[in-house]
Formats: sequence, C-alpha cells, structure tokens
Amino acid sequence: GDSVTQMEGPVTLSEEAFLTINCTYTATGYPSLFWYVQYPGEGLQLLLKATKADDKGSNKGFEATYRKETTSFHLEKGSVQVSDSAVYFCALSYSGNTPLVFGKGTRLSVIA
Amino acid sequence: GAGVSQSPRYKVAKRGQDVALRCDPISGHVSLFWYQQALGQGPEFLTYFQNEAQLDKSGLPSDRFFAERPEGSVSTLKIQRTQQEDSAVYLCASSTIGAGAFFGQGTRLTVV
Repeated sequence: GDSVTQMEGPVTLSEEAFLTINCTYTATGYPSLFWYVQYPGEGLQLLLKATKADDKGSNKGFEATYRKETTSFHLEKGSVQVSDSAVYFCALSYSGNTPLVFGKGTRLSVIA
Repeated sequence: GAGVSQSPRYKVAKRGQDVALRCDPISGHVSLFWYQQALGQGPEFLTYFQNEAQLDKSGLPSDRFFAERPEGSVSTLKIQRTQQEDSAVYLCASSTIGAGAFFGQGTRLTVV
C-alpha cells in the first residue's frame, strides 16, 4: 500500500538557520502531496500542497517541490524562526478528497 | 464556528466503559474523516464518509469501533468496552474537492 517516510526528529536549529525535512513516498498512483503542521496545543493545519510532478507548494516562507523521479517532497525554509517550532507531517492522498496517508512527523525546535 | 469542532477535548474512561466522540465539520463539506493519533506518531486513518455514506471503514481497529453520520453533517465515533490500547488522540477532518482537509483539535482519550 501507499506510505510516507519522514526523517526522524527531533530537529533542533538556531534562529535564522536553513531547514530541510526530508519526505519520501511510495504510491501506486499519482497522489497529491501535502505538508501539515501541528503547533503546540493546536490541531493539524495545512501548510502547503502540490498536486502533480514538478509543482512547488509554498506558504509562510516554506516550500516543497513534488519530485516524481525521486518520489520526494522535501520541506525547506531559508531562515527559521522560534515561532516555527512545531511538528511537521508529510502526507499524500488522491484527488485531495480521499483519506490522507501520513508520515510519523518530525518535531522541529528553533532556539533563539 | 468556521472550523471543525470536536467534543469533548479530553475524555478519561475506565476500562470497559463506552465512549462517544463528536465531530462538527465545516458546513457544506461533503467528506468527513476520522483518524487515530498515538503519542509520537502520525495520524492513522480510521474511517471516511461522503455525506451520510460510510465509504471506507477499513482502518477501524476492531468491531468495538463504530462511526456514523446519519444526516451527512455531524459525525460520532463510538468505542465500546474501551481498552488501554484505545488511548490516543482522535482527529476529525472535513474536506471539499480542491480545498484540502481541515482538522479539528482532536479528542484526547485516556483509558485507565
């Protein structure tokens, strides 16, 4: 079946450092790919998405590119802030209206 | 409200007790999903509705778990004879085509 693998956390960075969180997927078809973020005490929020190969999703300074050849959707941000501290989940689904398959999540801590 | 609302936010149940978890989706959202999130893990799919029809319940871990959405809006996830392994955060999400899934804050169930 379909699956998503994320790099293990926790990841600890200093403010203004460059962030990469790796995500690879295994899929039988051509899914849409998502990054969700869970801030402390809050629910999951959609951060960005890409619906087809070579699409780049971006939001709040984060970006990720759908790479079909490497089955990857790595999350990047050029300069992290303390407020970016959260758990980040990579996920896939078909048509955006079918169940999501999530990775295990990567906890990011940004220190001042 | 404008978002997905879940109640209760926290539930402590004695082993063997039945519980009912409620989800109020975003108005007009056709699809509704239930997920189970164990500590330190990503959400795992439980079941999925399109309007009042339960299209997929393959993720329900046992026949003690039952979900319904009788009028195609509010949904209830019921767990009978709760066990310690049922302790988790139960997440509800609703979606409409093209918009992605919007999550509630979840219900944290602790079985003692």
